[in-house]
Amino acid sequence: KQEVTQIPAALSVPEGENLVLNCSFTDSAIYNLQWFRQDPGKGLTSLLLIQSSQREQTSGRLNASLDKSSGRSTLYIAASQPGDSATYLCAVNTGNQFYFGTGTSLTVIP
Amino acid sequence: SAVISQKPSRDICQRGTSLTIQCQVDSQVTMMFWYRQQPGQSLTLIATANQGSEATYESGFVIDKFPISRPNLTFSTLTVSNMSPEDSSIYLCSGGGQGSGTEAFFGQGTRLTVV
Repeated sequence: KQEVTQIPAALSVPEGENLVLNCSFTDSAIYNLQWFRQDPGKGLTSLLLIQSSQREQTSGRLNASLDKSSGRSTLYIAASQPGDSATYLCAVNTGNQFYFGTGTSLTVIP
Repeated sequence: SAVISQKPSRDICQRGTSLTIQCQVDSQVTMMFWYRQQPGQSLTLIATANQGSEATYESGFVIDKFPISRPNLTFSTLTVSNMSPEDSSIYLCSGGGQGSGTEAFFGQGTRLTVV
C-alpha cells in the first residue's frame, strides 16, 4: 500500500524567507503528484500538479519538483508571506485512488 | 479544473441523528471520493462513490454508518448516520478521473460537530 510522508510536520519562518517542504512516497508507480493548501477548517485548494513524466512545475512563487524513482517531491516557496500560512498537503494519484501525506503546517511570521 | 459545491459548510447535530452532505460538480467526473479529516489529522478515505452501483468502502467504514449515493456523474451524497461525538470531523468530497493528467479537486468541506 502506498504511504506518503511529509517532513517537517510544522515550520515557522520569518516573512521573506525561502523555504522547502518535503514529501516522500513508498511506491513509484504513480500517475501524478499534487500539492494542496488547506486553511483551518476549510477544503483543499490545488496548488500544483506534476505528472509522472515531469520533473517540475512552477506557479508564481511556488515550484514543485518530482523525483519518481526515489519517491520524493519538494515544494519550494520563494519570498514567503504571512498569507502563505496554512497546512500544505501532498497527494499521489495511483490511478484508482489518491493517497495523502500528513501535511506540513506553515506559519510565516510578519 | 472542475468545481465542486459542497453543502452544508458546517452543522451542529444532536447525538443519534443523521446528516446528509451533498456534493454537486459542475462537469461530469469519473471518480468521486469521500474523506474524513479529524482535528489535526490528514485525510482518511471513507469510500469511493461509484456511479450507478454501491460505493467501495475502506477498512473501518461501513455502509450502514456512511451510506453513499451517486445517481449520476455530477452528484453524490454522504450520510453520517446515528451520530456520536466521535463523528465530529471535517468531511470532504473530491473528484478526479483516472489517468496521468487528472487533477484532484475538492469541495469546501463540511465541518460537523456532534453534541
